[in-house]
Amino acid sequence: AQSVTQPDIHITVSEGASLELRCNYSYGATPYLFWYVQSPGQGLQLLLKYFSGDTLVQGIKGFEAEFKRSQSSFNLRKPSVHWSDAAEYFCAVGGASGGYNKLIFGAGTRLAVHP
Amino acid sequence: DADVTQTPRNRITKTGKRIMLECSQTKGHDRMYWYRQDPGLGLRLIYYSFDVKDINKGEISDGYSVSRQAQAKFSLSLESAIPNQTALYFCATSRSGAAGYTFGSGTRLTVV
Repeated sequence: AQSVTQPDIHITVSEGASLELRCNYSYGATPYLFWYVQSPGQGLQLLLKYFSGDTLVQGIKGFEAEFKRSQSSFNLRKPSVHWSDAAEYFCAVGGASGGYNKLIFGAGTRLAVHP
Repeated sequence: DADVTQTPRNRITKTGKRIMLECSQTKGHDRMYWYRQDPGLGLRLIYYSFDVKDINKGEISDGYSVSRQAQAKFSLSLESAIPNQTALYFCATSRSGAAGYTFGSGTRLTVV
């Protein structure tokens, strides 16, 4: 069965520090992979996605993610975190028979940013 | 106006009551979804619809039903609400699986 694991429930970083949020997936074929961000009281916003081609993908707000098939990972990175990046981040994989018709989400990683 | 609008934003209801959560989208997409978010569990799929004649159960459909009234409208009903249905509910729409989803702002439902 398809699944997504985000090993870190909470992460705290200092403003200006680099960030890496981990995501591991289980899927039987090449997956479609996504990162979403949820600010307090808001819905989810798409940060970036991968489904083929270059394994390093760029997203909005200065985020990037790298697909590593050998590790079944799609980690999210940002070189310098801003206080406004404090939010909850969700990794998701497109899966199910018949095509990539619905997304399976990880449990999320809550990011806190210290000034 | 938002691309995906959910009403109400917040709702408190009593155990045993029937409640409907509504969702409308202006993206013109055929695919619509209802997810439930609980702390530590992420988002779990309740129902999804690929067009007005297509309704599919997700992983946690028990206790819920849906109606796809039009391409733009997809409603979620709790036939007899129970306290463990207290959660944040999200509606989403997509053009295709590869395009990603556009989410509404969510409905926070409390069942007392």
